[in-house]
Formats: sequence, structure tokens, C-alpha cells
Amino acid sequence: QVQLQQRGAGLLKPSETLSLTCDVYGGSFSGYYWSWIRQPPGKGLEWIGEINHSGSTNYNPSLKSRVTISVDTSKNQLSLKMRSVTAADTAVYYCARGPTSSWYVVYWGQGTLVTVSS
Amino acid sequence: DIQMTQSPSSLSASVGDRVTITCRASQDISNYLAWYQQKPGKVPKLLIYAASTLQSGVPSRFSGSGSGTDFTLTISSLQPEDVATYYCQKYNGDSLFGGGTKVDIK
Repeated sequence: QVQLQQRGAGLLKPSETLSLTCDVYGGSFSGYYWSWIRQPPGKGLEWIGEINHSGSTNYNPSLKSRVTISVDTSKNQLSLKMRSVTAADTAVYYCARGPTSSWYVVYWGQGTLVTVSS
Repeated sequence: DIQMTQSPSSLSASVGDRVTITCRASQDISNYLAWYQQKPGKVPKLLIYAASTLQSGVPSRFSGSGSGTDFTLTISSLQPEDVATYYCQKYNGDSLFGGGTKVDIK
């Protein structure tokens, strides 16, 4: 049973860096496609970016300048860093896993509410 | 940039009704289209991938169709447990979600 367990700070001040980690349990890490997705309160889903098993990344153009997604296969971890956050970055953040060789999402993390407030 | 437009944004139907949600891409995305269901306060759940392939464990009253730019999610007989918001996602190249369709019971 694949489980994605997210952790990271839930309250940030404007201009700080958002840092989230997703620990993967119950399945192989390598060979799959991994994503970060967010959802502002009461709004729809927004794709942040993705990384495949070879480390190739794609980012949402509107966030690309501030976002880094990485994997540590030795620790079965996926990470998200987003610099210079503002109130507009307040959202529930999800890590997600697709099947091999495709980017739709089969497994989701539990979600982390990140609030940006001074 | 490709846009994904879902319609309607919300609908209300009776139990047993056939419900159709559409998703239109502004460019050809072949069949790289997935549908998700998100119940209030819950994590999204994959229903359909490759435009028409039902994910394992999803009830057969859900079906997907389409290719290219026009796609449809159909619930053949709406059930109370289907109250949720439904999202389409294109996943070739940069991923992108549609705006969502909120479904409730009349």
C-alpha cells in the first residue's frame, strides 16, 4: 500500500521560503512520476510542477522562478521549495505520484495547509 | 498557452439522473486527459485516465470519452455519494487542471 506522508511548516511570513517534504512508504520510489499540486482555500487545483525518476522537471510557468522540486531516492523523499511567498501562496499543498511514465495522479499525500501571514 | 475549460461550473441533479460534465482544451491534447473527484474536505481521487480508462475500483456508472480537444465525464445514474467537485487535468507536457464542476443533489 503506497502512502505519501507530508511534513513541513504550516505558517510562514511573507518573503519566507516554503519547504515541504513528502516521505514515500510502501512502494518503489524510482521509476515513477512525482508532482506537487496546491489548492487555495475554496478554490480549484493548481499544478505546481513535476519531476520524473531521472530528475527531469517541469514547472508551472507562473511559479517557475520561485519553485524547486527535487527527489532524494536514497531516502524515498520528494521535496518542494518555494521562495519569497506571499499571501497568494496560502493553500493546501499536495504531493502526488503518478504511474510509471505518465503524469496523472494515482496517489496523493494527505495535504498540508500552508498559511502566509504577517 | 493551453487552457482547460470545464462546464458547467456547477450543477444540481436528481438521484438517478444522467450527468454530463465537459472539458475543452484550447489545443489538441490527444487523450492525455484525467478526471478526478474531490469530496468536501477530502483529497482528490482519480476516476478516469487516458480520457476513457476507468481507474481500478471506480464504479462503472462513471465513464469518460473524447479525444483531441473535447472531453466528457458522464455519471450514468447520479448517487448521493457522488456529491463532489470534479476536475479534469491535461497531463501531456505541462499539466493543467480545469476549473472544476460542483455537483450536488436537487
